Amino acid sequence: DARVTQTPRDKVTEMGQEVTMRCQPILGHNTVFWYRQTMMQGLELLAYFRNRAPLDDSGMPKDRFSAEMPDATLATLKIQPSEPRDSAVYFCASGDWGKGETQYFGPGTRLLVL
Amino acid sequence: RKEVEQDPGPFNVPEGATVAFNCTYSNSASQSFFWYRQDCRKEPKLLMSVYSSGNEDGRFTAQLNRASQYISLLIRDSKLSDSATYLCVVNYQAGTALIFGKGTTLSVSS
Repeated sequence: DARVTQTPRDKVTEMGQEVTMRCQPILGHNTVFWYRQTMMQGLELLAYFRNRAPLDDSGMPKDRFSAEMPDATLATLKIQPSEPRDSAVYFCASGDWGKGETQYFGPGTRLLVL
Repeated sequence: RKEVEQDPGPFNVPEGATVAFNCTYSNSASQSFFWYRQDCRKEPKLLMSVYSSGNEDGRFTAQLNRASQYISLLIRDSKLSDSATYLCVVNYQAGTALIFGKGTTLSVSS
């Protein structure tokens, strides 16, 4: 049963520290999404890639966030420096554009910035 | 105005009850519609797609009214295991980001 995996599952860090989150999409999926979920805002898009190329990062604070896909099996989301308002659950999702619209979510990274 | 709006609830119902959730969306060009389910501290999972003709999956029935920009989900014969948050989701274009409502919380009790 293919699944999206994310690491770490939980992260506690102090303000100002760098945070890197990793995602392994389902093998063969060509589209990868990063979403953030907070109680106040709900689930919101940060960025997404197709065939490793960034298509939309308009939801991402550009000064501190960066997203990359070094290869087809790895997507990363980096926050530097982190701030308490970044505390949230970060979900990665993947889909196979052209073969359906379903997006499959990973278990999320729960981030707490103190 | 939020792009997808839902009543947050919570809806507290006894087992066996029928419960309905509603959702409205603001972008009339939206192409695809879904209900996702999210359990506590878990990731969202697709419950069902929603079609203009209405569709049913067991105890779950989803309806879409494009003219009113309104989506509904009906759950019949509620089970304890239906307790979760139900997210109304819209997609402007296939392969692009999903737009989520904040979710409606359902609690089914025995």
